[in-house]
Amino acid sequence: QLHLQESGPGLVGPSETLSLTCTVFGGSISSGNAYWGWIRQPPGKELEWIGLIYYSGSTYYSPSLRSRVTISVDTSENQFSLSLRSVTAADTAVYYCARAPYDYIWGSSRPRSFYFDSWGQGTLVTVSS
Amino acid sequence: QSVLTQPPSVSAAPGQKVTISCSGSSSNIGNNYVSWYQQLPGTAPKLLIFDDNKRPSGIPDRFSGSKSGTSATLVITGPQTGDEADYYCETWDSSLSAVVFGGGTKLTVL
Repeated sequence: QLHLQESGPGLVGPSETLSLTCTVFGGSISSGNAYWGWIRQPPGKELEWIGLIYYSGSTYYSPSLRSRVTISVDTSENQFSLSLRSVTAADTAVYYCARAPYDYIWGSSRPRSFYFDSWGQGTLVTVSS
Repeated sequence: QSVLTQPPSVSAAPGQKVTISCSGSSSNIGNNYVSWYQQLPGTAPKLLIFDDNKRPSGIPDRFSGSKSGTSATLVITGPQTGDEADYYCETWDSSLSAVVFGGGTKLTVL
């Protein structure tokens, strides 16, 4: 049974960098059958996708966050991490990590689907001084 | 403003059929697979449907998905009070090169 666990500070100051790690239990992050992703949800609002990473380091990022986001992977620790720079109060949210099986358009390297089949419990990060 | 449009809320009596729509475009729903998630209050989302109409193991068959053109639909047959939750559609947008979520629909079982 796959289990994902987010960890990191619950409080970050404005203009600082938010850093979170997701540890994967019960399966290998290097299995190759899925990407690994971050999704966030501001209090009372909808889900917002942040980005995806493959065990090889290949990434996709949200266009609206790309300039501030880096997602990295550590296969030796079975972890992947999120770094969000220059945060403001608008970045206050519950941050989820998840596994994302994928499908590519036949005969190409272009994706046609990612879906999130295993989620961490989520961790609330508040941006405040 | 979400790329995918869902109604903010729907309601139904127990035993009725509920449909939740998700409207997009040819760059997302029209050419890519759709997934649906259920988010109970205070919990992480849970995958209900993937690849337009497939259910993960353990998801009851009263949850079903379909797609026509640039719109997708989640159907809940015989909703129960335990199904009161927020429901989100999701897909890949080929023009944005991004995963996109709908704005979510709150289901109330009367």
